[in-house]
Amino acid sequence: GVTQSPTHLIKTRGQQVTLRCSSQSGHNTVSWYQQALGQGPQFIFQYYREEENGRGNFPPRFSGLQFPNDSSELNVNALELDDSALYLCASSPRTSGGAGTQYFGPGTRLTVL
Amino acid sequence: GQQLNQSPQSMFIQEGEDVSMNCTSSSIFNTWLWYKQDPGEGPVLLIALYKAGELTSNGRLTAQFGITRKDSFLNISASIPSDVGIYFCAGQLRGQGAQKLVFGQGTRLTINP
Repeated sequence: GVTQSPTHLIKTRGQQVTLRCSSQSGHNTVSWYQQALGQGPQFIFQYYREEENGRGNFPPRFSGLQFPNDSSELNVNALELDDSALYLCASSPRTSGGAGTQYFGPGTRLTVL
Repeated sequence: GQQLNQSPQSMFIQEGEDVSMNCTSSSIFNTWLWYKQDPGEGPVLLIALYKAGELTSNGRLTAQFGITRKDSFLNISASIPSDVGIYFCAGQLRGQGAQKLVFGQGTRLTINP
């Protein structure tokens, strides 16, 4: 399945953070979501073939990478208190109709103090 | 960010009761998905619907893709304690751009002993 690291992370305002994700075997598309407490996940961006394939309403200080083995990173610079959330990675296969069904990892709980 | 309208927000039922929840959108989607999320975990896919009017079952779960492509419902029959959790609907536009998922706010299901 999809794995994410670390499980939990505590940072202070202004710091930078890197979150990691390993896709499910055979999946070549990775999407990242932010889930605030009590809310549904919000789309941050998606990567396919190591390029950003689309972006939600998040500022440029949220950036990502996808590697040749389809693993991925989410980087957040200049952390703000509102960045405290569960960050979810989802992988999916690419089909003729676009990205297939997305399967989620367990998430990384980020707390910004 | 964009979200779907999911109702009810919470449900308190007795074990053995049937459950029904629904999701509506002002936009059309060509894929509807239902996920369940337990505390501290990522969403787990329950049912995926790919065609307007489609009715799909997965054990005690049944979901339908609305004819207008703007709504979906999920039914759970004969609820059991392990059904407790938060249920999310998600809409997706496959074949266009980033294939992002747009989520509802979730329905929290509690089963009274």
